[in-house]
Amino acid sequence: SQQGEEDPQALSIQEGENATMNCSYKTSINNLQWYRQNSGRGLVHLILIRSNEREKHSGRLRVTLDTSKKSSSLLITASRAADTASYFCATDVFRGAQKLVFGQGTRLTINP
Amino acid sequence: GAVVSQHPSRVICKSGTSVKIECRSLDFQATTMFWYRQFPKQSLMLMATSNEGSKATYEQGVEKDKFLINHASLTLSTLTVTSAHPEDSSFYICSAIPLNRGQGETQYFGPGTRLLVL
Repeated sequence: SQQGEEDPQALSIQEGENATMNCSYKTSINNLQWYRQNSGRGLVHLILIRSNEREKHSGRLRVTLDTSKKSSSLLITASRAADTASYFCATDVFRGAQKLVFGQGTRLTINP
Repeated sequence: GAVVSQHPSRVICKSGTSVKIECRSLDFQATTMFWYRQFPKQSLMLMATSNEGSKATYEQGVEKDKFLINHASLTLSTLTVTSAHPEDSSFYICSAIPLNRGQGETQYFGPGTRLLVL
């Protein structure tokens, strides 16, 4: 069963604006990861945040994690047309098994 | 960086035939690989965990006799969809965890294989 729920399911913004996507999960996690998927393609790993971390940055990406609320957010600043893709959060919940459980994803469209 | 390939990238087959999909880790060894399927506009659903030298572990609801997994070496796992039917049409993605990687570290994903069963 899916662990994560993401919102919004779809987001359309103008180029240059910031995009924020949220992910909620149900059980304790080892870490949470964000991936990007362009239409019909494989997944690109964006960022991993551990359960003992609260915020992480990578270029134009900023990820926060609130384990008390069991939620995470992905912020993309100064969006570009090339950021158009689906974004998924994935939680690593099973100690030792390293299985990932994916959220439903957010389809992000950046309008030029 | 670590690269995972899949072959073929897309395949069309007739109903009732079997299709084999390969997942290879190109520049690292992996004792564990995962197989996912993804329907259009949906998320990835884990099908099974492939362990080198042992039987695969299937998720609930996934038929092991329908989706045969063989992880014969540290760089190759194969998924065979047996007696494929149109409802098996999907995007199949594998991922691999490098040997000696720490707990919970990144998995590396293949580019996916699109299967269309006519």
